[in-house]
Amino acid sequence: AQSVTQLGSHVSVSEGALVLLRCNYSSSVPPYLFWYVQYPNQGLQLLLKYTSAATLVKGINGFEAEFKKSETSFHLTKPSAHMSDAAEYFCAVSDREDSSYKLIFGSGTRLLVRP
Amino acid sequence: DTAVSQTPKYLVTQMGNDKSIKCEQNLGHDTMYWYKQDSKKFLKIMFSYNNKELIINETVPNRFSPKSPDKAHLNLHINSLELGDSAVYFCASSQGGTGEFFGPGTRLTVL
Repeated sequence: AQSVTQLGSHVSVSEGALVLLRCNYSSSVPPYLFWYVQYPNQGLQLLLKYTSAATLVKGINGFEAEFKKSETSFHLTKPSAHMSDAAEYFCAVSDREDSSYKLIFGSGTRLLVRP
Repeated sequence: DTAVSQTPKYLVTQMGNDKSIKCEQNLGHDTMYWYKQDSKKFLKIMFSYNNKELIINETVPNRFSPKSPDKAHLNLHINSLELGDSAVYFCASSQGGTGEFFGPGTRLTVL
């Protein structure tokens, strides 16, 4: 069965500092991978996705993630944090052999940005 | 021009009542989902429909009954509400594994 682990339920960075949110997956075959962002009292917005093309994926708001098969990781990064990046971030995996394409989510990481 | 919409946004009700949440998507997607987000923010799939056909039912109590009148709509009816049903329910849609588009959520509070 597939699973997703997000290391760190809370990550705190200073404004302008590098953002690194960690995600590791467990899957028998390389899955589809996603990062979603959830602002308070809102729905989930897709930041970026990996579906088997380039391993370095660029998303919205300056975020990017790199798929590393050898490490079964899909960490999310942003060179310089903004106050507006403060939110909950979810990594998710989808089995490319499951036609339902349902998402299995990690437990989420809350990003705090200090002035 | 909202992609995935849900109504109502907030739902407060007493234990034992029956309630429904409606979802509509205008993206032309074939697959729709219901997810539940608990108080610890954990998200879990409940149901999935593809072209009006149920394809996933993730061991959800049978008090929860989804209905898809057409591929653009997926409603969720809940009978005999319990305290533990309090959560945020998200509707989503997708097409071919490209990622799911989520609605704004319905916050259900059972008193």
